Amino acid sequence: KNEVEQSPQNLTAQEGEFITINCSYSVGISALHWLQQHPGGGIVSLFMLSSGKKKHGRLIATINIQEKHSSLHITASHPRDSAVYICAVSIRNQFYFGTGTSLTVIP
Amino acid sequence: DVKVTQSSRYLVKRTGEKVFLECVQDMDHENMFWYRQDPGLGLRLIYFSYDVKMKEKGDIPEGYSVSREKKERFSLILESASTNQTSMYLCASSLSRLGASNYGYTFGSGTRL
Repeated sequence: KNEVEQSPQNLTAQEGEFITINCSYSVGISALHWLQQHPGGGIVSLFMLSSGKKKHGRLIATINIQEKHSSLHITASHPRDSAVYICAVSIRNQFYFGTGTSLTVIP
Repeated sequence: DVKVTQSSRYLVKRTGEKVFLECVQDMDHENMFWYRQDPGLGLRLIYFSYDVKMKEKGDIPEGYSVSREKKERFSLILESASTNQTSMYLCASSLSRLGASNYGYTFGSGTRL
């Protein structure tokens, strides 16, 4: 069983749409991370959360510790947001990853 | 910025060949990790290392070994490459001994083998 479940697996949106990607986890965690992977493979860290909400530009990440759930929101989506978004949790000394959400934003 | 560099972006090998994947980080991170990424399975941990000459098995170590002779370099070795090892391999490093909860967690660009 995967400790981290992400939805949806694939997402296509029109430019300008508000996008939400969800992540649920099943065990207690140290922190939750949202990662972005562009075509070609490189992964960058967008957010690390242990509570509440964080915002960076058009990206917003929230976490509800009681419900073991996090969401990544993208406001005013743009084609350059097209990427795979990966939720990861840190448990003890390791990361566990969701399978990713492939986002395509169409102009 | 922390930089994690993987020596090759693309690599083509024949079955049975010995394959070395190299990863170098430049910020004196203690922890280094090797993952493979496959469609529908996400990232899976192969091996990790908390210090020089230390290594621990991850979730899928079979068919792989690692070497960490210097702090900045973590090598993944496929002793005899097989077709089921075709994958994207990602290296990562992080700052503290507890590793994953720290913001310093950084990935390399990946090697597609």
